[in-house]
Amino acid sequence: DTGVSQNPRHKITKRGQNVTFRCDPISEHNRLYWYRQTLGQGPEFLTYFQNEAQLEKSRLLSDRFSAERPKGSFSTLEIQRTEQGDSAMYLCASSAGLAGGDTQYFGPGTRLTVL
Amino acid sequence: GQSLEQPSEVTAVEGAIVQINCTYQTSGFYGLSWYQQHDGGAPTFLSYNALDGLEETGRFSSFLSRSDSYGYLLLQELQMKDSASYFCAVYNQGGKLIFGQGTELSVKP
Repeated sequence: DTGVSQNPRHKITKRGQNVTFRCDPISEHNRLYWYRQTLGQGPEFLTYFQNEAQLEKSRLLSDRFSAERPKGSFSTLEIQRTEQGDSAMYLCASSAGLAGGDTQYFGPGTRLTVL
Repeated sequence: GQSLEQPSEVTAVEGAIVQINCTYQTSGFYGLSWYQQHDGGAPTFLSYNALDGLEETGRFSSFLSRSDSYGYLLLQELQMKDSASYFCAVYNQGGKLIFGQGTELSVKP
């Protein structure tokens, strides 16, 4: 068990460019979550997957954001036409998907800076 | 709406005990978790309470009162390495977490 990994760890891009982040969850975890965290704030829920199915998307997730988990393993989060307001830490978490609440394990995050 | 309230900052000395309170108002509730986050690091799971009462894990304990929509994290025998941000988070429908804004704990020698 190597934990949740995310790549890249840092991304600097110019406004208007597209970026894609990858998350590899703990193996055999069937739930995968994406969160966004800005300085001084708690993580905010963006979306989550149960296996390959995307079950919920936050209103924070505009049409420029898309997430996939094609084979129920790794996931990608793409932001199109980035804006300065997209600058944040993007965190991925996975869990075993037990009934009620189960422990979510977070990756180290991808820090996005939009110039 | 959904909201969680916790103090923004707490300061304590090494060896002391500190309690971080959290009150919540959410449309769905399955349990309350606490996470620790050091600067630049990932949130790390500390505890989870689904039922009323106290859960103890080493130097850390967490308490929940569902009727009062209230919980707290108790840290004992504080160490310098405990300086970090602490977040309470409500498990909502689908298992997603709704986080508070965090409490920055500073441990002084």
